[in-house]
Amino acid sequence: KAGVTQTPRYLIKTRGQQVTLSCSPISGHRSVSWYQQTPGQGLQFLFEYFSETQRNKGNFPGRFSGRQFSNSRSEMNVSTLELGDSALYLCASSLASGGQGGTFFGQGTRLTVV
Amino acid sequence: QKEVEQNSGPLSVPEGAIASLNCTYSDRGSQSFFWYRQYSGKSPELIMSIYSNGDKEDGRFTAQLNKASQYVSLLIRDSQPSDSATYLCAVREGAGNMLTFGGGTRLMVKP
Repeated sequence: KAGVTQTPRYLIKTRGQQVTLSCSPISGHRSVSWYQQTPGQGLQFLFEYFSETQRNKGNFPGRFSGRQFSNSRSEMNVSTLELGDSALYLCASSLASGGQGGTFFGQGTRLTVV
Repeated sequence: QKEVEQNSGPLSVPEGAIASLNCTYSDRGSQSFFWYRQYSGKSPELIMSIYSNGDKEDGRFTAQLNKASQYVSLLIRDSQPSDSATYLCAVREGAGNMLTFGGGTRLMVKP
C-alpha cells in the first residue's frame, strides 16, 4: 500500500511569491492534515481537511490556505512568502474522524524562501 | 493553550539498555496519544499509539498512559544504535485528527 506522497520534495522561492504544495493521502484515507516544522517552533498544526471541508485550523495567518479534492488529494498554498515561512511542510493522512486510528506523514516538502 | 511537554535531551543510553522517554500534556480532554520517531532529515514515523490507561507493548516498545497524572511514556527495551533519533509525543482530542506535538526528545544510543 503506497504511503503519503508529497510533491515537490524541495522548493526555493523568493519573498513575496506564492507556492502550492500537493499531497496524496494513503488510499482510503479521507482526512488530510498539514503541519509546519521548524527548528525553533517544532511541529505545528496548520489545518485539517475531511471530505473536502476544513475541519480544524491552527494558529497561522490567512496567507496559509488549503483545499481538498473529491479524491481526498489536498493542496496547500502560501501567498506572499516571508523568510520565516522557510520550513519543512508535512502532509499527514488519517483514515477517518479521530477514533482509534493513527496519522501517517509524508516525506515532506522542504521550502526555502530567499 | 494546549501544551505537550518533553525533555529535549539528549538522552544518552548504552546499547542494550532501556530508554525511558516521558511526556506530559495539559488538556484533560485529550483522548489519544502517539509516539513518533524522527530521524534527522526525515519525516515523523508513527511507532506507538495508546488510548486507555495502562501499558501497551509492541515488540521492544512499551507505551504507558496515566490520564489522571496527564502523563505518557515510551520505554524502548534492548536499545540499539539504530534507535538514535528524536522521539515526538503527540496528543489528539476526540474529534478530528489535529495533533499537538511536544518538542521531542533526542535519544542517543551508544555502542
